[in-house]
Amino acid sequence: NAGVTQTPKFRVLKTGQSMTLLCAQDMNHEYMYWYRQDPGMGLRLIHYSVGEGTTAKGEVPDGYNVSRLKKQNFLLGLESAAPSQTSVYFCASSTSYNEQFFGPGTRLTVL
Amino acid sequence: QQQVKQSPQSLIVQKGGISIINCAYENTAFDYFPWYQQFPGKGPALLIAIRPDVSEKKEGRFTISFNKSAKQFSLHIMDSQPGDSATYFCAASYTGFQKLVFGTGTRLLVSP
Repeated sequence: NAGVTQTPKFRVLKTGQSMTLLCAQDMNHEYMYWYRQDPGMGLRLIHYSVGEGTTAKGEVPDGYNVSRLKKQNFLLGLESAAPSQTSVYFCASSTSYNEQFFGPGTRLTVL
Repeated sequence: QQQVKQSPQSLIVQKGGISIINCAYENTAFDYFPWYQQFPGKGPALLIAIRPDVSEKKEGRFTISFNKSAKQFSLHIMDSQPGDSATYFCAASYTGFQKLVFGTGTRLLVSP
């Protein structure tokens, strides 16, 4: 089992460009999450999903959109990237609100 | 009210010493308190978790102490090793909340 995988691992964008981060899990988990991690701020929840076809806003949703068309995939989109979105993005999945399994992260720089 | 406050922000401990990280919460509905460990360049991973029906849980050198009346819980790492050097996050949740609230993290460095 690969667990939780994230694509890409690194990305550099210019302000105003768009991109999609892909998260995939092979554990048949219902719940999936997108976090951003910034120095001194811990892990902040962007959006989450409690099942295929559902999404909900987290703590810092502005500037991001998500989709969960398939149970195993959770996509995070940036429509018009801003320097404030420079961060490390983590995807996680779980069977409930209990143990979350995290991916390796995507390091995004917006110039 | 959904916040979890974590301290200290960073910690340096000598090899063989005890590392202690503290967290405090306000929401009395929280009933699940995990600790995650994150090595540089990796995603966080569950280390140990506790529910409020017990005051302490031990797994190897790692112990969670829980004080329900004070709304505090802490992670103790006994006989700290250089391999324990990582960032540690506390978190909290409750049934039906569907997500975890994380503390801001503690960077632990265990010196040889």
